[in-house]
Amino acid sequence: NAGVTQTPKFQVLKTGQSMTLQCAQDMNHEYMSWYRQDPGMGLRLIHYSVGAGITDQGEVPNGYNVSRSTTEDFPLRLLSAAPSQTSVYFCASSSGLVSYEQYFGPGTRLTVT
Amino acid sequence: GENVEQHPSTLSVQEGDSAVIKCTYSDSASNYFPWYKQELGKRPQLIIDIRSNVGEKKDQRIAVTLNKTAKHFSLHITETQPEDSAVYFCAGGYSTLTFGKGTMLLVSP
Repeated sequence: NAGVTQTPKFQVLKTGQSMTLQCAQDMNHEYMSWYRQDPGMGLRLIHYSVGAGITDQGEVPNGYNVSRSTTEDFPLRLLSAAPSQTSVYFCASSSGLVSYEQYFGPGTRLTVT
Repeated sequence: GENVEQHPSTLSVQEGDSAVIKCTYSDSASNYFPWYKQELGKRPQLIIDIRSNVGEKKDQRIAVTLNKTAKHFSLHITETQPEDSAVYFCAGGYSTLTFGKGTMLLVSP
């Protein structure tokens, strides 16, 4: 099993550009989440999904969109990139929403200039 | 929403010493408290977790304690080794997880 995979590993964007961060898991997990990690800020929840077709906002959703058309995939879209979105993005999946281990992907380091 | 505070932000110990990291939470409905370890440039990985119906859990050199009344929980690492050096995150919640800001643990040989 590959677990949770993310692409790309690194990305540089100019302000105003859009892009999609890809996340896929092969563990048949219903729950998937996107976090951003900034220095000294821990991991903050952006959006999450409890199953195909169901998504909800986390703590810091502004500027990001998500959709979940399949159990395996949970892409994160940046609509119009801003320097404040420079961060490391982690996707995670789990068997349950809270009381289960979250398996994190390797992360995407995004820089917006 | 939930607010999780973590202390200290950095912790330096000598190999063989014990290390303790403390977290507090605000929402009494939170019922799950995991701890994640993140090595430099790597993804966070679960090292131990505790549920609100348990006061203490131990796994070899690592233990976690939970005080629901005071709304705080702690990670204890005994006989620390250089490979324990990493950033440790606590988290808590009942519908989604809120993470603390992390503790950088440095274990010197």
